[in-house]
Amino acid sequence: GENVEQHPSTLSVQEGDSAVIKCTYSDSASNYFPWYKQELGKRPQLIIDIRSNVGEKKDQRIAVTLNKTAKHFSLHITETQPEDSAVYFCAASNPGGNNRLAFGKGNQVVVIP
Amino acid sequence: EAQVTQNPRYLITVTGKKLTVTCSQNMNHEYMSWYRQDPGLGLRQIYYSMNVEVTDKGDVPEGYKVSRKEKRNFPLILESPSPNQTSLYFCASSFGLAGGATGELFFGEGSRLTVL
Repeated sequence: GENVEQHPSTLSVQEGDSAVIKCTYSDSASNYFPWYKQELGKRPQLIIDIRSNVGEKKDQRIAVTLNKTAKHFSLHITETQPEDSAVYFCAASNPGGNNRLAFGKGNQVVVIP
Repeated sequence: EAQVTQNPRYLITVTGKKLTVTCSQNMNHEYMSWYRQDPGLGLRQIYYSMNVEVTDKGDVPEGYKVSRKEKRNFPLILESPSPNQTSLYFCASSFGLAGGATGELFFGEGSRLTVL
């Protein structure tokens, strides 16, 4: 099955700087790559996703890039703010996977004011 | 309001005492799933359901049962809970899109279970 790994496990950034989290996946048939944000004590929520027919997608201060050849995708957060402090989960799924998303173990992002 | 509702939110029980965590969604989603979240292990899928009366094992199904008799409900059953099932549990749902494409997962607020 699909195996998703996230790096680094913890990332501390100064407010205003950029943060980048990278995920690698193992199944070349995977074609959907979402990112979920989980604030402390809250539920995970989708913040951005990308499908394999595009290489980059942006939504205000966040963007996701996909490199299908290398089988990795990254979350970019620019101009970080304290409210960006959270755990971020990447995931991957493929058409034959019955909507099964394989999640990474999560990255703790800490934005230092 | 569109939502996924789990109950109970918090539960402390003892080894071997059967319990059920309920999950209900009001978005007419075909797909529902249960995850457990443990420190350092991320979100691991327990069971999922593609539609009514269709359920399948996820990555960590041992010690759990589910049923999907109605589209909106997907209860998680622990027949004989053990301390290693102490965890934070999330129910989630989404539309099942054509061609097996995946839609956005909507999560419930979570149920924190402690088994003594």
